Amino acid sequence: NAGVTQTPKFQVLKTGQSMTLQCAQDMNHNSMYWYRQDPGMGLRLIYYSASEGTTDKGEVPNGYNVSRLNKREFSLRLESAAPSQTSVYFCASRGQGAGREYFGPGTRLTVL
Amino acid sequence: GESVGLHLPTLSVQEGDNSIINCAYSNSASDYFIWYKQESGKGPQFIIDIRSNMDKRQGQRVTVLLNKTVKHLSLQIAATQPGDSAVYFCAEASFGNEKLTFGTGTRLTIIP
Repeated sequence: NAGVTQTPKFQVLKTGQSMTLQCAQDMNHNSMYWYRQDPGMGLRLIYYSASEGTTDKGEVPNGYNVSRLNKREFSLRLESAAPSQTSVYFCASRGQGAGREYFGPGTRLTVL
Repeated sequence: GESVGLHLPTLSVQEGDNSIINCAYSNSASDYFIWYKQESGKGPQFIIDIRSNMDKRQGQRVTVLLNKTVKHLSLQIAATQPGDSAVYFCAEASFGNEKLTFGTGTRLTIIP
């Protein structure tokens, strides 16, 4: 099992460019999440998907869109990147019912 | 809104000593609590969890204590090692809620 995988690992964008962060999990989990983590800060929830076909906003959704492509994959899109979106992005997944979230290794994004 | 907070942002401990990391939570409906460890440049990793019907749970060198009366959670790490240096997050969830709420984090530094 690879667990939760994320691509790319690093990305540099110019202001106004767009990109999609990819996430996949092989644990047959229903729920998937996207967080951002700024330096010295905690995790903030951007969007989540409680099941295939559903998505919901988290704490900081502005400037982002998501797609739950299938049960395995959950992508995060920045349509027009801004310097304020410079951060580390983590994807996570969670099985049925209350339980731990499993995190990917993160994508380090810099917007110039 | 509900939040999970930590008493101390940083903690330094001599190698071999025990460490205690504290966490206060405010949602009395929370019934599941988790501790995560995040090493530099990596995603959060699960350490140990506890349900609200317990007040103590032990793992390998780690113990989590839950005091529901004062809404307090702690993580004890015994005989600390250099590899324990990391940021530790607590998180809480309630049954039926698909989202975890994370605390800000405590940076633990083990002094050789």
